Amino acid sequence: DTGVSQDPRHKITKRGQNVTFRCDPISEHNRLYWYRQTLGQGPEFLTYFQNEAQLEKSRLLSDRFSAERPKGSFSTLEIQRTEQGDSAMYLCASSGDTQYFGPGTRLTVL
Amino acid sequence: AQSVTQPDIHITVSEGASLELRCNYSYGATPYLFWYVQSPGQGLQLLLKYFSGDTLVQGIKGFEAEFKRSQSSFNLRKPSVHWSDAAEYFCARNPGYSTLTFGKGTMLLVSP
Repeated sequence: DTGVSQDPRHKITKRGQNVTFRCDPISEHNRLYWYRQTLGQGPEFLTYFQNEAQLEKSRLLSDRFSAERPKGSFSTLEIQRTEQGDSAMYLCASSGDTQYFGPGTRLTVL
Repeated sequence: AQSVTQPDIHITVSEGASLELRCNYSYGATPYLFWYVQSPGQGLQLLLKYFSGDTLVQGIKGFEAEFKRSQSSFNLRKPSVHWSDAAEYFCARNPGYSTLTFGKGTMLLVSP
């Protein structure tokens, strides 16, 4: 399978804990995006990389959120000191001219 | 700011009937337009896209969409709906190689 993959698919954590998600994009894509989706809403943009450079960040990306793409391949999204409001589906996409999405990581903060 | 409006939160269609899901985008230069479908608990699958050229675009699973500049619309259609089409459908736009702005989605229910 050469699509976008995300790990883990589900994460349950307690408030205050740190969590890290991984995204592996389609290999020939140099652009990678993170989105967050809450119940009943469309995905909302968080951040965007071109190769290893983080080019854009949404105001939704608070100081507790950090994303990296160290070698321009896979990316990680870390949330520090999780809050219940962070519970959501976190989606990764990669693109050439069209964004293709991974299956998402469902985060539940208790 | 760019926006995408999907006026229908839920639509119920009988199996075999035709379908049209509405999408309007805010005024601006002709955007790139997309329709994605999402099954419960899953990521988004691209159905079709419009960049330029022919305003009627064909996608996967028998879907098509028509770009109408005068109405700022990009409605999704299917002539005959199957039970497996039940899912949530998202319209999205971007101005180029950039981030996507999504509508809030339309949940399609298919009745027997």
